[in-house]
This record gives sequence, structure tokens and C-alpha cells, in this order.
Amino acid sequence: RKEVEQDPGPFNVPEGATVAFNCTYSNSASQSFFWYRQDCRKEPKLLMSVYSSGNEDGRFTAQLNRASQYISLLIRDSKLSDSATYLCVVSPSNTGNQFYFGTGTSLTVIP
Amino acid sequence: DTEVTQTPKHLVMGMTNKKSLKCEQHMGHRAMYWYKQKAKKPPELMFVYSYEKLSINESVPSRFSPECPNSSLLNLHLHALQPEDSALYLCASQDYSYNEQFFGPGTRLTVL
Repeated sequence: RKEVEQDPGPFNVPEGATVAFNCTYSNSASQSFFWYRQDCRKEPKLLMSVYSSGNEDGRFTAQLNRASQYISLLIRDSKLSDSATYLCVVSPSNTGNQFYFGTGTSLTVIP
Repeated sequence: DTEVTQTPKHLVMGMTNKKSLKCEQHMGHRAMYWYKQKAKKPPELMFVYSYEKLSINESVPSRFSPECPNSSLLNLHLHALQPEDSALYLCASQDYSYNEQFFGPGTRLTVL
């Protein structure tokens, strides 16, 4: 079983739509959770760390559900510039060096 | 400043060449990583240095040789590569305070 699983999409949504991605992880003891955004032929950029209480940054909201072992990312009022691949990343500890990447979810926002 | 720099941006090399990729960060992060990424795939871990010591080597072929001269620099020495080694090579540094990783822009490597 993979450490981290994501729906690869693609998600094609109109501008202004709300879209949500989920990511499941297999290790119930995982401690750190992240969403990265990666544009075509560029490096992954940290979008948000995901905290137990959930966190919001503008149009982006991340949630952690430890009981069901998944994290989610909600994007409201989608913009054309949100088109990218979104990578879910999970680490088994808060201090170690192991990070497990999902395969990424492709989002295209359509005018 | 959350900047990791990598040079060169692009590299084309033959199978008999020796070249090096360089990575630098001045954020005081004490862990640095090399990843390899193929198109439409997630980054694949190659090496991790923690406090300038090699802590993870993911069974990478010996034609890839990492080096960490100091806490700000990370090199990847390349020798006798194969065409299937063509990929985007990403460097990352880790902030142990928040356990967050920050990536450099990558070196796009083509092996002919």
C-alpha cells in the first residue's frame, strides 16, 4: 500500500468555482502534513502546512482528519492562476528526514 | 527569505562526461536533500544530509555522488550517466523548527 494516495484528476473547473482535493495516508502515526503547488516544469512550492485544528490562508483551507487518515485542500473562488499540480506530502515525524509525496492532483481552471 | 538556489538551470551532458550540480541556501537550515523528478511524477528522494552528514541514501547508483562541503552547500557529482537519468534534479532544505521543506528551482538535466 502506498504511503500517500491522491486522486490524480485532472480536475477541470470554471473560474469562480470551489474545488476540493483529498489525500489519504497509511501511517496512522504520521505527524506533519503539507500541501505543495507545482507549476509545469517548475519546482514544488509550499502552499500550506496542515495543522490539527485546520488552517486557512485566503481562498485556501486545509483540514486534517486523523481518525480517517486524510488531509484535504479546499480552494474557493478559483482563479486561472490556480491551475497547477497540487502535491500532498506527509512526514512520519516532526524532526526526521522522511517525506512521502502523493502523485499529485492536476487542476485546470477554465475561463 | 526562503530561497534555495541551484546551478546550472540546464545541463546537457554525454554519457562519458563528469559534471556537478550545485545547491545553496542561507536560511540556516540543517538538512538538505537531492530529489529526482521525471515528468508527471512526484519527486523521488535520492539523498539527505542532516547536520552535514549523509543520513539517507535511497540506493542511488554510484554514478551519482553527493557532497556537503558545509551547512549551506550541497553538490551532486555526476559521472557516466545514462539517458534514463535525464530528469529535473531538485535540491531542498528543511527547516527543523517547522519541519517544512523548501525547494530550489531545479536543474534540468539531459543525458545524450
